[in-house]
Amino acid sequence: DSGVTQTPKHLITATGQRVTLRCSPRSGDLSVYWYQQSLDQGLQFLIHYYNGEERAKGNILERFSAQQFPDLHSELNLSSLELGDSALYFCASSVGRGDTEAFFGQGTRLTVV
Amino acid sequence: AQKVTQAQTEISVVEKEDVTLDCVYETRDTTYYLFWYKQPPSGELVFLIRRNSFDEQNEISGRYSWNFQKSTSSFNFTITASQVVDSAVYFCALSGAGGIQGAQKLVFGQGTRLTINP
Repeated sequence: DSGVTQTPKHLITATGQRVTLRCSPRSGDLSVYWYQQSLDQGLQFLIHYYNGEERAKGNILERFSAQQFPDLHSELNLSSLELGDSALYFCASSVGRGDTEAFFGQGTRLTVV
Repeated sequence: AQKVTQAQTEISVVEKEDVTLDCVYETRDTTYYLFWYKQPPSGELVFLIRRNSFDEQNEISGRYSWNFQKSTSSFNFTITASQVVDSAVYFCALSGAGGIQGAQKLVFGQGTRLTINP
């Protein structure tokens, strides 16, 4: 158990809908990262938050947004969903120093039908 | 730009064989970190090892060993006496030096699907 909690584990929704994925980082970790794993793109970095502030953006679509709350949990919002958004979405957290690794949650498997 | 290449898409071996997973990386950074993660059929990503660019010592952990060679930009992973439970997808990843705001993003290779047959 990595200590990173993601909910829900599975999500099935229809095209055009909006969903929210939730991540609780390990206790004491200030950084949260979101990654998307799809069959065609592999594992790709989406966005990084540190102590509530956005620090880096990767290949994140404009239909997607994220935030980190004062209690350090994070949410990834996906809207106007398309079939191609079906993927495994991972959250990872790290302590907040550059020389530490990120630990991943179990992921949320999103299926858009 | 950073890039990680895992040329072996799939490997299948018989239990107890040794197997090496290759990883080649590209980066212009002088300080960087290399990682291996395991993704079993259940889907989670399990951290295996982190190595910084200044430490080229090989590492051994039980049946797992890692060979880091800066001269060839490679960070290969060997499983000795493989077991069925080692069946998983293995990812090599690279990140730049982070700061107080946390580690930089991970750039992943495409993964190698390892199947260990009984």
